[in-house]
Amino acid sequence: NAGVTQTPKFQVLKTGQSMTLLCAQDMNHEYMSWYRQDPGMGLRLIHYSVGAGITDQGEVPNGYNVSRSTTEDFPLRLLSAAPSQTSVYFCASSRLAGGDEQFFGPGTRLTVL
Amino acid sequence: QQQVKQSPQSLIVQKGGISIINCAYENTAFDYFPWYQQFPGKGPALLIAIRPDVSEKKEGRFTISFNKSAKQFSLHIMDSQPGDSATYFCAAPQGGSEKLVFGKGTKLTVNP
Repeated sequence: NAGVTQTPKFQVLKTGQSMTLLCAQDMNHEYMSWYRQDPGMGLRLIHYSVGAGITDQGEVPNGYNVSRSTTEDFPLRLLSAAPSQTSVYFCASSRLAGGDEQFFGPGTRLTVL
Repeated sequence: QQQVKQSPQSLIVQKGGISIINCAYENTAFDYFPWYQQFPGKGPALLIAIRPDVSEKKEGRFTISFNKSAKQFSLHIMDSQPGDSATYFCAAPQGGSEKLVFGKGTKLTVNP
């Protein structure tokens, strides 16, 4: 099992550009989520999904879109990148929502100039 | 929005010492309290978790202590080793939802 994979590992964008961060898992997990990690701020939930076709907002959803067309994939779209979105992004999946072990990907380090 | 307050922000311990990290939460829909460990450049990974039908859970050198009435739980690392140097996050389920809310993290440094 590859677990949770994320691409790319690093990305530099200019303000206003759009891009999609990819996340895939091969564990047949229903629950997937996106977090951003900033120094001193911990892990903050951006969006999450409890199954294919179902998504919902987390703590910091503004400027991001998600969709979940398959169980395996959960892409995160930045619509118009801003310097405030400079961060490390982690995708995670778990068998169940909330009360179950979350498996994290290796992260994508994004810099917006 | 559930808040999870984690302390201290950073901790320096000598090899062989005890590391203690504390978390406090507000309300939860169900009882599941995990601790995650993160090494630099890596994603977090589950270290240990408790479902508090018990007040304590021990796995090797790592112990979670849980105080339901005080809405607090803590991680104890016994005989701390330099390899334990990492950032530790506690988490708690947000009341009434499927979301897990994380604390802001504790950077642990264990000196040889």
